[in-house]
Amino acid sequence: DGGITQSPKYLFRKEGQNVTLSCEQNLNHDAMYWYRQDPGQGLRLIYYSQIVNDFQKGDIAEGYSVSREKKESFPLTVTSAQKNPTAFYLCASSRTGGHQPQHFGDGTRLSIL
Amino acid sequence: KNEVEQSPQNLTAQEGEFITINCSYSVGISALHWLQQHPGGGIVSLFMLSSGKKKHGRLIATINIQEKHSSLHITASHPRDSAVYICAAQGGSQGNLIFGKGTKLSVKP
Repeated sequence: DGGITQSPKYLFRKEGQNVTLSCEQNLNHDAMYWYRQDPGQGLRLIYYSQIVNDFQKGDIAEGYSVSREKKESFPLTVTSAQKNPTAFYLCASSRTGGHQPQHFGDGTRLSIL
Repeated sequence: KNEVEQSPQNLTAQEGEFITINCSYSVGISALHWLQQHPGGGIVSLFMLSSGKKKHGRLIATINIQEKHSSLHITASHPRDSAVYICAAQGGSQGNLIFGKGTKLSVKP
């Protein structure tokens, strides 16, 4: 079955470390997205990519970086510059063109040690 | 003021009850999405609509573009419907989604 796989499900980071969250999709979708979810808040867009080798900042990109070298993969790096990284991170993908539903992964919960 | 507001924030119902979750938005939109987030965190897209009404099983979504309001209804609710329901507004055909904070639904047997 096609879908989106995020790994790991839980991730712990020490102060000052960079960590990378994995997102892989086999839906043949061109567009991919990273969201952050904090308690009591709606999902906020970190980065998105409409096509391979291209991506744009979302509303809260500071302290994060991404790459899109392959259509099926859109890893997110949480850098040491992100001062409050503890959150639930969700990856999504969709077709492009017109209105398209987004398909979500199961998320990665990041905590600071 | 948030651009997408949901109400209620929390909702507890008895099994079999008819449930309504509301979503109001202040931005111009081209589509409105309803999503379901399970306790483990995974999200499933339920509906995407730009006018009128859509139905899937016991779920019904409606939208009133003039009033900038959408509702999600669940008929004959069941404990397995317990989840967080999220509405999201899409500004254009390539527009990104603006999410509400979600409504946490708990259906008691």
